Amino acid sequence: QVQLVESGGGVVQPGRSLRLSCAASGFTFSNYGMHWVRQAPGKGLEWVAVISYDGSNKYFADSVKDRFTISRDNSKNTLYLQMNSLRAEDTAVYYCAKDLGPSGSQALDFWGQGTLVTVSS
Amino acid sequence: DIQMTQSPSSLSASVGDRVTITCRASQSISSYLNWYQQKPGKAPKLLIYAASRLQSGVPSRVSGSGSGTDFTLTISSLQPEDFATYYCQQSDSTPPNLTFGGGTKVEIK
Repeated sequence: QVQLVESGGGVVQPGRSLRLSCAASGFTFSNYGMHWVRQAPGKGLEWVAVISYDGSNKYFADSVKDRFTISRDNSKNTLYLQMNSLRAEDTAVYYCAKDLGPSGSQALDFWGQGTLVTVSS
Repeated sequence: DIQMTQSPSSLSASVGDRVTITCRASQSISSYLNWYQQKPGKAPKLLIYAASRLQSGVPSRVSGSGSGTDFTLTISSLQPEDFATYYCQQSDSTPPNLTFGGGTKVEIK
């Protein structure tokens, strides 16, 4: 069965960096687009970034553009989110999610359990 | 950017009730509309994609309709496990810039 397991969350000071990982199993990882979606405490869902099946296309929400980078290692079935210049408003649970298709422009059919990132001094 | 507006933001209903949630896009998104269910402390779950296609494993009491700018999610007979928050999400943007609605919390009356 499809499994997505995020890791790397924690408490970090404003301005510092953090890298999240998402280990995928149960499907052919290299065939699908992958996303990061976040949810601030008590708030709704916010899409963060997407990467196509082969890593050739990457897109970001305006709120994280130029600070966050998304990447993938298809040989390791792992998705990454590099977060730089973190701000208090980046505090959220971060979910990785699988797209229905290869380009990352459809629906998110499987989600991980999430990892909490807290940006605080 | 395409904005998604859900209504109501919350509702109270009883087991067995028919429940309808609406989602409106700020511009036409054809049928590129998806619905998710989220329970407290859990990840979202895909219910409906492409406006009306039922995701595998989702009970048939759940249905979606609409196209263009106006969409609905309907639960024909609310069950105890349906009390949750529901989100719509558009996937029409090019390049991809997925946006979610603000959510609708379905509570027990």
